[in-house]
Amino acid sequence: AQSVTQPDIHITVSEGASLELRCNYSYGATPYLFWYVQSPGQGLQLLLKYFSGDTLVQGIKGFEAEFKRSQSSFNLRKPSVHWSDAAEYFCAVGATEINFGNEKLTFGTGTRLTIIP
Amino acid sequence: SAVISQKPSRDICQRGTSLTIQCQVDSQVTMMFWYRQQPGQSLTLIATANQGSEATYESGFVIDKFPISRPNLTFSTLTVSNMSPEDSSIYLCSVAPSSTGELFFGEGSRLTVL
Repeated sequence: AQSVTQPDIHITVSEGASLELRCNYSYGATPYLFWYVQSPGQGLQLLLKYFSGDTLVQGIKGFEAEFKRSQSSFNLRKPSVHWSDAAEYFCAVGATEINFGNEKLTFGTGTRLTIIP
Repeated sequence: SAVISQKPSRDICQRGTSLTIQCQVDSQVTMMFWYRQQPGQSLTLIATANQGSEATYESGFVIDKFPISRPNLTFSTLTVSNMSPEDSSIYLCSVAPSSTGELFFGEGSRLTVL
C-alpha cells in the first residue's frame, strides 16, 4: 500500500521569500502524485499533479513540484510567496493501477504555511 | 472539472443523534468518495459510493456507523450515526470525473458533536 510523509507540520516564511514544502512517498512503482491546498474554511484545490513525463511540473498560482524517483520525493516550490498562499498543503499519492473513476488517494498529514509580512 | 455542493456546511449536534450530509455534483460520475478530516489531521477515506450498489468501506469504518446512499450518478449522502464527540470532523465529498486521477472536493461539512 502507498503512503505519504510530509515531515514539516508547520512552516513560516516571509512574504516574497522562496518556499519549499517536502513530500516523500512510498509506493512499489511510479506513482501518481498530487499537491492540494486547503485554505481556511475551504475544500481542497488541486495545485498540480504528476503522472509521467517531465519530472518538473508546473501548477496554478506559480507553484511547481519536482518528482525525484531516487529520493522518492515530490517537493513543492514557489520562488516568491504571497500572503494569500497561507494555507494547509497536502501531498497525495495515487496508485498507478487507477481505473476510470476508481481513484483513491492517500494523503499526507499536511503542512501548514504561515506568511509573515 | 466538477463542482460539488455539500450541505450542511456546518452543524452542531448532540451526542447520540445522527446527521445526514448531502453531496451534489454538477455532472455524472461513476464513483463518489467520502473523506473525514479530524481536527489537525489529514484526510482519511471513509468509503467509496458507487451508484446501484453498496458502498465500499475502508478499514475502520462500518456501514452501521456511516451509512451511505447513492441514488443516482450526481448525488450521495453520508449519515453519521449515534454521534459522539470523537466524530467531530470535517466530512468531505469528492469525485474523480475523468481517468486522470484528479479528485475534486466539496467545501466540506464541519461537524461538532457536544
